Amino acid sequence: EAGVVQSPRYKIIEKKQPVAFWCNPISGHNTLYWYRQNLGQGPELLIRYENEEAVDDSQLPKDRFSAERLKGVDSTLKIQPAELGDSAVYLCASSFGQLNTEAFFGQGTRLTVV
Amino acid sequence: AQSVTQLDSQVPVFEEAPVELRCNYSSSVSVYLFWYVQYPNQGLQLLLKYLSGSTLVKGINGFEAEFNKSQTSFHLRKPSVHISDTAEYFCAVTWGGATNKLIFGTGTLLAVQP
Repeated sequence: EAGVVQSPRYKIIEKKQPVAFWCNPISGHNTLYWYRQNLGQGPELLIRYENEEAVDDSQLPKDRFSAERLKGVDSTLKIQPAELGDSAVYLCASSFGQLNTEAFFGQGTRLTVV
Repeated sequence: AQSVTQLDSQVPVFEEAPVELRCNYSSSVSVYLFWYVQYPNQGLQLLLKYLSGSTLVKGINGFEAEFNKSQTSFHLRKPSVHISDTAEYFCAVTWGGATNKLIFGTGTLLAVQP
């Protein structure tokens, strides 16, 4: 069974440019999460979806970040425009049911803003 | 605010020696506890979880953890480590309720030396 798939694995962009990350969760998982992991830190939740509805986006910087999960399956996270401080690993995870079940993580996208 | 503390940023240990990685959290009310491992350039993989029941939880790769409600701790242990256990280990907690947000500690690098 395929795990959580993210692309691209690595992305280098200049500041002020837009960037997008894509995530395909495990088949049948209704809950999808986007996390940001800064160097030397633990992951921090950006947004959580239950099917196509964003149920927790309190940590998403909405002035420049946006996300969508139109059909309740795969998801896209966008940053526009990117800033130097956005350099981090962006992790996608999915789970079936409530959060206290196991969340499966993708390999992440490492973003470098120069 | 709810928080997770991993006091040790790095734990060096010799191969075949025992190890304990410490984790403390801020409140025991409706708490669910997890340990994840992250190998270089990889996503997070669940080692074990405590949802309810026995306070001693066994996970994959010979790891175990004990939920201690009075000390608000969930320390991870392994009686004999291998070189292949070298990785970053994250403690994570979710508290029941409307937000159901998974909060991670800052991680502990387990460095196993021959």
